[in-house]
Amino acid sequence: GNSVTQMEGPVTLSEEAFLTINCTYTATGYPSLFWYVQYPGEGLQLLLKATKADDKGSNKGFEATYRKETTSFHLEKGSVQVSDSAVYFCALSDRGSSASKIIFGSGTRLSIRP
Amino acid sequence: DTEVTQTPKHLVMGMTNKKSLKCEQHMGHRAMYWYKQKAKKPPELMFVYSYEKLSINESVPSRFSPECPNSSLLNLHLHALQPEDSALYLCASSRNPDSTYNSPLHFGNGTRLTVT
Repeated sequence: GNSVTQMEGPVTLSEEAFLTINCTYTATGYPSLFWYVQYPGEGLQLLLKATKADDKGSNKGFEATYRKETTSFHLEKGSVQVSDSAVYFCALSDRGSSASKIIFGSGTRLSIRP
Repeated sequence: DTEVTQTPKHLVMGMTNKKSLKCEQHMGHRAMYWYKQKAKKPPELMFVYSYEKLSINESVPSRFSPECPNSSLLNLHLHALQPEDSALYLCASSRNPDSTYNSPLHFGNGTRLTVT
């Protein structure tokens, strides 16, 4: 079956540090891949997405590249800010699937020190 | 600001109470969802409405009763809840009920429910 594995958190970094949050997936088909972010006290927001191999999603300085050969979709940012402190969820949705087939990773909590 | 609005933001209820959670979106999305999120966990799907009809019930206990009065509104009626039902309840919507492949979820900010 489909699954998403994220690196364990929490991740604590200093402001302006480089960020990588690892995400790997298992899927029988050709899924779309997503990163959602949840700020304290809020719901999840779509951060970025990629729908096919080698696509790069980007938003707010964050990037992730859909790597079919390594089944990965790692989230990166060159210089993090305190306002990036949140929980990040990697997710996949298989082609033609309904909502029940959206698979979320366990989430990675990110804390940025000033 | 989120385009999916949930009320109330916080709710405390006793195990014998009846209450309702409300969700509203005006993006023309035809799929609406209820998720439950416990602390430090990802959201868990509860119900899906597609074109205002219940299409998925993920084996949720009958003390949770969803309702979709129209394409913009989604309710979750609560009755005789247990303390372990305390959680953040998230509403979400998406444009295309038939596939989330290219139709991401839009979440509200949730209702923080405490059952005493």
